[in-house]
Amino acid sequence: GQNIDQPTEMTATEGAIVQINCTYQTSGFNGLFWYQQHAGEAPTFLSYNVLDGLEEKGRFSSFLSRSKGYSYLLLKELQMKDSASYLCAVDDYKLSFGAGTTVTVRA
Amino acid sequence: NAGVTQTPKFRILKIGQSMTLQCAQDMNHNYMYWYRQDPGMGLKLIYYSVGAGITDKGEVPNGYNVSRSTTEDFPLRLELAAPSQTSVYFCASTLGSYGTEAFFGQGTRLTVV
Repeated sequence: GQNIDQPTEMTATEGAIVQINCTYQTSGFNGLFWYQQHAGEAPTFLSYNVLDGLEEKGRFSSFLSRSKGYSYLLLKELQMKDSASYLCAVDDYKLSFGAGTTVTVRA
Repeated sequence: NAGVTQTPKFRILKIGQSMTLQCAQDMNHNYMYWYRQDPGMGLKLIYYSVGAGITDKGEVPNGYNVSRSTTEDFPLRLELAAPSQTSVYFCASTLGSYGTEAFFGQGTRLTVV
């Protein structure tokens, strides 16, 4: 089975940094995706990690430790438009999603 | 380039009615998926397909059926709708089996009353 855990909610101030953790216990694993989902919209791709380590893409970075079953998404220089739900998803020849973390950015 | 197109966007069904949610992609993707998302929750996989003529169950298949007669289309059928099927349904597609970005449709908001 698949067990993917993320915090439910996080709040941060504009310009700050927020780290969203994701732990997983799954029957198979090829890699880990992060998706962003604004309210009422479809998820959109942010990042994909297959090897251990940090992948940086502009203000967003994603980290993976396969041995620990752990990933995080780091959002830097937060902007109001970053208020959204962030979903981690395990790639096991099909995507299995966590429940998502709702990030609220305050002015 | 339309990507993944879902119809309808909204629908209200009465208990016991049936309907088909349509999904089409024009990216020549082999893999297609149906997810449901309940309020404040993540996406749960209903069914998926690895190519025309091949489908398989996901986490929550009960009450649903799918078919994949062409690469482009992957309709989801609800038989005997129940209030528990009130949800937002997303169709998605990927080029390959792993490591490839999933493209999502805009979703179908279904209410069963």
